[in-house]
Amino acid sequence: DAGVIQSPRHEVTEMGQEVTLRCKPISGHDYLFWYRQTMMRGLELLIYFNNNVPIDDSGMPEDRFSAKMPNASFSTLKIQPSEPRDSAVYFCASSSLRQGRDGYTFGSGTRLTVV
Amino acid sequence: GENVEQHPSTLSVQEGDSAVIKCTYSDSASNYFPWYKQELGKRPQLIIDIRSNVGEKKDQRIAVTLNKTAKHFSLHITETQPEDSAVYFCAASRESGGYQKVTFGTGTKLQVIP
Repeated sequence: DAGVIQSPRHEVTEMGQEVTLRCKPISGHDYLFWYRQTMMRGLELLIYFNNNVPIDDSGMPEDRFSAKMPNASFSTLKIQPSEPRDSAVYFCASSSLRQGRDGYTFGSGTRLTVV
Repeated sequence: GENVEQHPSTLSVQEGDSAVIKCTYSDSASNYFPWYKQELGKRPQLIIDIRSNVGEKKDQRIAVTLNKTAKHFSLHITETQPEDSAVYFCAASRESGGYQKVTFGTGTKLQVIP
């Protein structure tokens, strides 16, 4: 398996623009998580899905953020409109309780810079 | 909700010495404690984990201990090497509403000095 695949690896955008981050989880994993990492706040859970259904979105900072998982192999995190304070590394991770371990496999992340 | 505190935030050790990172958690229902290593510019990767029915687990040079009564767990790295330099995150996980909920610590930046 190629692991959790995220795209793009880097994104630079102007304030006010829409940004879409993409994630392909490991095949067979039924949990998908979106995290944001900054120096100030560390790793923050934004939202997670189980079997494509959003379970907990309490970490989504505001209405400008939205996430979807239309099928088991694809998820998006959208920011509209983007602001400079959204600059961070966004990680997607997947896991499967059925495999008997709860550890996550993280993607390589998307480094977002909003100027 | 769960609160995970991690100490120290930075740690420098000489190559060959041991390093210890400590975490405490608040929710007694937490039952799974993974540790992640994140090298500069890379993704966090699971390096070792422990469940609440076990007090200690070892994998070569790394070991994790868990004290459920005191609600703390620690990562021990022996015979440190320069490639151990990274940020280490602890986490506590519990089942919530049928789903696993994971809370991460704030990370420890470990520097191994050759």
